Amino acid sequence: DAGVTQSPTHLIKTRGQQVTLRCSPKSGHDTVSWYQQALGQGPQFIFQYYEEEERQRGNFPDRFSGHQFPNYSSELNVNALLLGDSALYLCASSQTGTGANVLTFGAGSRLTVL
Amino acid sequence: AQSVTQLGSHVSVSEGALVLLRCNYSSSVPPYLFWYVQYPNQGLQLLLKYTSAATLVKGINGFEAEFKKSETSFHLTKPSAHMSDAAEYFCAVRGGGTASKLTFGTGTRLQVTL
Repeated sequence: DAGVTQSPTHLIKTRGQQVTLRCSPKSGHDTVSWYQQALGQGPQFIFQYYEEEERQRGNFPDRFSGHQFPNYSSELNVNALLLGDSALYLCASSQTGTGANVLTFGAGSRLTVL
Repeated sequence: AQSVTQLGSHVSVSEGALVLLRCNYSSSVPPYLFWYVQYPNQGLQLLLKYTSAATLVKGINGFEAEFKKSETSFHLTKPSAHMSDAAEYFCAVRGGGTASKLTFGTGTRLQVTL
């Protein structure tokens, strides 16, 4: 049973560029959340998608946007990249309505902005 | 709103010694609490969760945690540390409702020495 898969695993961009990160949720999960983990910090919630709509959003600027597709996979887009956007981006999936909605995390996409 | 505080960014124990990682939470609603572990260059793996059932929760790899409402704590313990336990540990909290946003602590790096 495949877990959460993310791509790419590593990427390097320059300031001002745009990036798209992709996530396939665990089989049977319908909800996808994205987190940003800066070096030495805990993950910070960016947003969550359910039924192809953004259900909840953290304290991130509009440069961060996302999408969920009918097959539940998701993309995270970041525009006008800043040096401070360098981080590990984690995707997590869950099944809505199952008690604590436990999140299953992917291995992450490490973004470096030069 | 929910938050967690992890006391001690670094903890070092000898192999075979007791592991104690501290977590205190703040929540305006009955919380769900989680401990995740992160190995280098990997995503987060769920160790255990508290979902308002038994206050003593047993997880994987011999870890357990006790929910103490009076102390607003959810400390993680393991009777005997193993070298393979060396990793970053994150405590996280979420409130009720359909959204499953997790709020993480800043993490505790566990070092295990011979």
